[in-house]
Amino acid sequence: GEQVEQLPSILRVQEGSSASINCTYENSASNYFPWYKQEPGENPKLIIDIRSNMERKQTQGLIVLLDKKAKRFSLHITDTQPGDSAMYFCAASNTGGADRLTFGKGTQLIIQP
Amino acid sequence: DAGVTQTPRHEVAEKGQTIILKCEPVSGHNDLFWYRQTKIQGLELLSYFRSKSLMEDGGAFKDRFKAEMLNSSFSTLKIQPTEPKDSAVYLCASSFWGVSPSQNTLYFGAGTRLSVL
Repeated sequence: GEQVEQLPSILRVQEGSSASINCTYENSASNYFPWYKQEPGENPKLIIDIRSNMERKQTQGLIVLLDKKAKRFSLHITDTQPGDSAMYFCAASNTGGADRLTFGKGTQLIIQP
Repeated sequence: DAGVTQTPRHEVAEKGQTIILKCEPVSGHNDLFWYRQTKIQGLELLSYFRSKSLMEDGGAFKDRFKAEMLNSSFSTLKIQPTEPKDSAVYLCASSFWGVSPSQNTLYFGAGTRLSVL
């Protein structure tokens, strides 16, 4: 099976600065890497994903990087705002889709004013 | 379009009781998942159905946890008998699996928060 490690478990950053969350995986066949954001009392929602045919993807202040050689992928949030405070989960699968996802344990992001 | 609907939102049970959690996936979705979420373990897969067939039945959860998918628009998760360590948020999720994996996005329900006393 797959194992996904996610760090840090808690991340505090100043409003306006950048936040980075890192994940590593073990299965070199993994080819789909989504990121989910979960606000308190809410369901996790997909915010961005990347497939193994890409190294970088960007959308609305979010950047995802994928290093297949190192089996590492990361989420970067630029110009953080209070609304970015949430739990973030990374995940990986080897099917190209969401049917065999292994999740990281999550990062609690706290944006400080 | 309605998203994934889970009921109840909160459940309180006594140790040893049987509880049944319910889930309605997004209309048209053919993959359905049950996850357990805790602060320590994060998201753990309990069961996975494709087109109503059980594809994966999380090994560690087999003895007291049973998920069923009676039709394409309804699934239940039964925990029998409940134990205090079952206290967690139970999330149902669905997606559409088709020819193009790029369409295969996972949608989560709001979850059921279970407390076992």
